[in-house]
Amino acid sequence: GEDVEQSLFLSVREGDSSVINCTYTDSSSTYLYWYKQEPGAGLQLLTYIFSNMDMKQDQRLTVLLNKKDKHLSLRIADTQTGDSAIYFCAERRGYSTLTFGKGTMLLVSP
Amino acid sequence: EAGVTQFPSHSVIEKGQTVTLRCDPISGHDNLYWYRRVMGKEIKFLLHFVKESKQDESGMPNNRFLAERTGGTYSTLKVQPAELEDSGVYFCASSQSGGAIVNEQYFGPGTRLTVT
Repeated sequence: GEDVEQSLFLSVREGDSSVINCTYTDSSSTYLYWYKQEPGAGLQLLTYIFSNMDMKQDQRLTVLLNKKDKHLSLRIADTQTGDSAIYFCAERRGYSTLTFGKGTMLLVSP
Repeated sequence: EAGVTQFPSHSVIEKGQTVTLRCDPISGHDNLYWYRRVMGKEIKFLLHFVKESKQDESGMPNNRFLAERTGGTYSTLKVQPAELEDSGVYFCASSQSGGAIVNEQYFGPGTRLTVT
């Protein structure tokens, strides 16, 4: 199976909350990341969580980590049309190598 | 401060030809990474340079791929000869050394390679 799995597509209405889920397999991962890719642009680091944390909040973003189930989620509150993008979950193993999921395309409709 | 830049943004070549992709990392970043995303699949790690040395090249798919970083500044990734399955988006990223624990990697916009 894949190392990092994500649902491929999510559609929400503007103003709703979006929740993007991710599962990973390596229990030794030290950091888990969420990257955002807008059309024609590179990946931008949105937020990260250290593996000994359960939750991290950063403005409209909330990251939840269930280490037992190896499940990571990203919640975007009050989703805006500008949040439409592809969101990649990634885990870091060892020094610096990142292992990514396939990405979740978030479509926000007005 | 300029971000990570990649050239070209898009390359279309025929099977059997050679293509060279270039990445200019953020100035002062010792770490440089190459990743690849094949259509519909995950972004996969290819290799990692620390300055001019290859720290980890475990993700390089085969010996048709050659990465260099002479002088420890920009890097090139050459594919020779290109095959159809090499099509995808090639991302470059860079990060500082000995810096924050997070070791944030800054990504370039990618080079879309199409092999016909």
